[in-house]
Formats: sequence, structure tokens, C-alpha cells
Amino acid sequence: EVQLVESGGGLVQPGRSLRLSCAASGFTFDNYAMHWVRQTPGKGLEWVSGISWNSGTIAYADSVKGRFTISRDNAKNSLYLQMNSLRAEDTAFYYCAKGLYVEVGTTDYFDYWGQGTLVTVSS
Amino acid sequence: QSALTQPASVSGSPGQSITISCTGTTSDVGGYDYVSWYQQHPGKAPKLIIYHVSKRPSGVSNRFSAFKSGNTASLTISGLQTEDEADYYCSSYTTSTTRVFGGGTKLTVL
Repeated sequence: EVQLVESGGGLVQPGRSLRLSCAASGFTFDNYAMHWVRQTPGKGLEWVSGISWNSGTIAYADSVKGRFTISRDNAKNSLYLQMNSLRAEDTAFYYCAKGLYVEVGTTDYFDYWGQGTLVTVSS
Repeated sequence: QSALTQPASVSGSPGQSITISCTGTTSDVGGYDYVSWYQQHPGKAPKLIIYHVSKRPSGVSNRFSAFKSGNTASLTISGLQTEDEADYYCSSYTTSTTRVFGGGTKLTVL
């Protein structure tokens, strides 16, 4: 059974940093791209970032480019999101999502999702 | 990048069919066949129900179907069931960023 478990969310002040982690199990982690998708409470979804199976291709939404860094450790079956210079508008549930394919790009479909971790940016 | 445009809500009775539209531009929905749809029940993570415009992942009911015409993609749910009551989101590859979502549509099964 595929499982994705996020951790690392919490309350943080504007301008500070936070690192999210996602522990994956139940599938061959290094055979798939992985993504972070966020959802503002009560509102819609926003793709944040994606990383290919071997970290060779990385992409970010314009809203987080230059502030967030995605990474993965295939030996540990883990995905990460380093979030710096956090803003109030970054407040959301952050989901770790498994890509349907190995690469990041045109075919970014998310076939398994974690339950999400809440990040609240507020003073 | 603006979100794709979906109706805020749709409703139908059990057994009926409904269609949810998703309108974009030539930079996303109209320009690529990389449209997907997700179902999200309250308090749950989204679930992929359609990819590549009209393909269903294994295990997804064939009551869900989808197609695209021009800049608009559409999801049809036939034989509505109470468990179909959920939020539905479309998504597309775009030239300006990798992927954009619609604003979501709340389906109510009366």
C-alpha cells in the first residue's frame, strides 16, 4: 500500500524558515517524480514544486521560486521542502504527492497524496 | 498564472449525469493534452480520477469520463451516487509554470 506521510508543519513568523519532510513507502520511490502541492484552508489547490526521479529536473511555481527548495533522498525514501522567507500567503496545507511518471514536466499527474501538513505563517 | 475557470457548484440527483467544465487558454488546456481531474472529499486528500484528458487510473469507476474541446475540458459523472458528492478540480500543464489547477467545483448530490 502506498503511503506518504508529511511532517514539519507548524506556526512560523513571517520571514522565517521551515523544512517539510515526506516519508514514502509501499512503492519504488526512485522510480517516480515527487511533488509538493498546497491548499489554502477552504480554497483551491496550487502546485508548488516537483522533482524528477534522480533530482535531475526540478521545477517551481513562480510564487515560491527563489524562496523554496525541493530535494529528495532516494536512499531514505524521503522528499523535502525547504521554505525560506515565508510569507502570510504561504499559509496552507502542504501535500506530498507521488508523480505518475519519472519526470517532471508535461505529465505531472499526482496519483497518491499524503494527508498534508499545515503551515501557518503569522506573527 | 490564473487558475483555470470552473463553476463553483453543480448539483444532480442520484442516477442522473452531470458535467463540470474547466476553461483555460491556448497556453494551457487548449494547447496541450495534459489535463487531469481530481476528486476531494471533505477532510481528505485529492484523488486522481482522470489524466491525459480522458484516461482513467486503475480502479476509477467508468462512470467518470472526460474530454476536451478547444480551451475547455469537461468531466462527466454518469449514474450519480451519493458518494460522488465532493469537490472536483481540473488541472493542466501550462507554458508559464508546470501545472495549474482550477478553482474547484462542489458537487452536491440531492
